[in-house]
Amino acid sequence: EAGVTQFPSHSVIEKGQTVTLRCDPISGHDNLYWYRRVMGKEIKFLLHFVKESKQDESGMPNNRFLAERTGGTYSTLKVQPAELEDSGVYFCASSSQGTQSGNTIYFGEGSWLTVV
Amino acid sequence: GQSLEQPSEVTAVEGAIVQINCTYQTSGFYGLSWYQQHDGGAPTFLSYNALDGLEETGRFSSFLSRSDSYGYLLLQELQMKDSASYFCAVRDPYNQGGKLIFGQGTELSVKP
Repeated sequence: EAGVTQFPSHSVIEKGQTVTLRCDPISGHDNLYWYRRVMGKEIKFLLHFVKESKQDESGMPNNRFLAERTGGTYSTLKVQPAELEDSGVYFCASSSQGTQSGNTIYFGEGSWLTVV
Repeated sequence: GQSLEQPSEVTAVEGAIVQINCTYQTSGFYGLSWYQQHDGGAPTFLSYNALDGLEETGRFSSFLSRSDSYGYLLLQELQMKDSASYFCAVRDPYNQGGKLIFGQGTELSVKP
């Protein structure tokens, strides 16, 4: 069974440009999460989809970030326009519906974004 | 809200035992999880404690004391490959989908 896959693995863009990150969750997982880790800091929650609906987007930093999950399958996270402070590793994760307290959340390898 | 505290870094030698502590503050508690991350890659699930006490999985054990809002990850017979970042995490009680809140991570360096 394929795990959570993310694309691109690395991206270097200039300030002001646009980048779109894609995540394919584990097949059948209704819950999809986006997280971000900036160097040396915590893995910070961005948002959570249940199928195609945004369950919680309290962690989205500002309106330059737009996440979608059309059809409840893969998800995209667009940053437009990118700023220097957006640099970091963006992780996507998924879990099955009805996830209880201890159930595992599966992470992808991350998309490393560098804004210069 | 939820917050977690853990040491930023720990160093130990091969074969030794190391303990990574985690204290948490949360308005509701649904257990403490531990994740491992190698070289900035995918965080992977290590263990979970919902109740007080010790959970053992091979060389790794995790402990929880709910009355103290405290837990730790114990790594025994350390190997070089254990060098990684370790995160404790709690579930957000207001998010039905199991959203996790992570600590800042502990960078473990295992020396020969």
